[in-house]
Amino acid sequence: SQKIEQNSEALNIQEGKTATLTCNYTNYSPAYLQWYRQDPGRGPVFLLLIRENEKEKRKERLKVTFDTTLKQSLFHITASQPADSATYLCALDTGGGNKLTFGTGTQLKVEL
Amino acid sequence: NAGVTQTPKFQVLKTGQSMTLQCAQDMNHEYMSWYRQDPGMGLRLIHYSVGAGITDQGEVPNGYNVSRSTTEDFPLRLLSAAPSQTSVYFCASSIGTGREKLFFGSGTQLSVL
Repeated sequence: SQKIEQNSEALNIQEGKTATLTCNYTNYSPAYLQWYRQDPGRGPVFLLLIRENEKEKRKERLKVTFDTTLKQSLFHITASQPADSATYLCALDTGGGNKLTFGTGTQLKVEL
Repeated sequence: NAGVTQTPKFQVLKTGQSMTLQCAQDMNHEYMSWYRQDPGMGLRLIHYSVGAGITDQGEVPNGYNVSRSTTEDFPLRLLSAAPSQTSVYFCASSIGTGREKLFFGSGTQLSVL
């Protein structure tokens, strides 16, 4: 079956360290992969989009990689801060181009 | 700039009641969509629209109706509420086809008793 997997267990890291979150997918061939941040009680907020022909994308302390052979994306936050604590969702375009399918998200907690 | 506005923020219904969740965007986006978010299930697409007068089904459309009479508005109607429709509902819009950056509203928390 088609699915998008993110680590359901929360990730706890110390402030200043690099957080790495994983998104794995099967049976899709997405043209785009996106990452969103969601805070409790709020809607998701777009962070980064990476295309299938791009290996890596950066934005300030954020870096995303996209390996279409492994069917995996890695999302890195360098020099993490407590304010980075949130749930991070990956999303792929699926099903004919007008549908964005989301993973279940990984909760990140950055501790002092 | 308001972005995507959803109303109400909270709603409690009894089984069998009907209601409409409102969604409006002021960014002139052609694409709009409705998702529901449940614990452990992530965001699931209910219905989407690529422009006024055009709607299509997503992954979980049963029990919901939509219409798109204007570019700005995309209401979601629950025809006869069921406890299985207890969820948080998000409306989202995009300037493109829906594969690119989505702008989300703040959500409606719905409980069906």
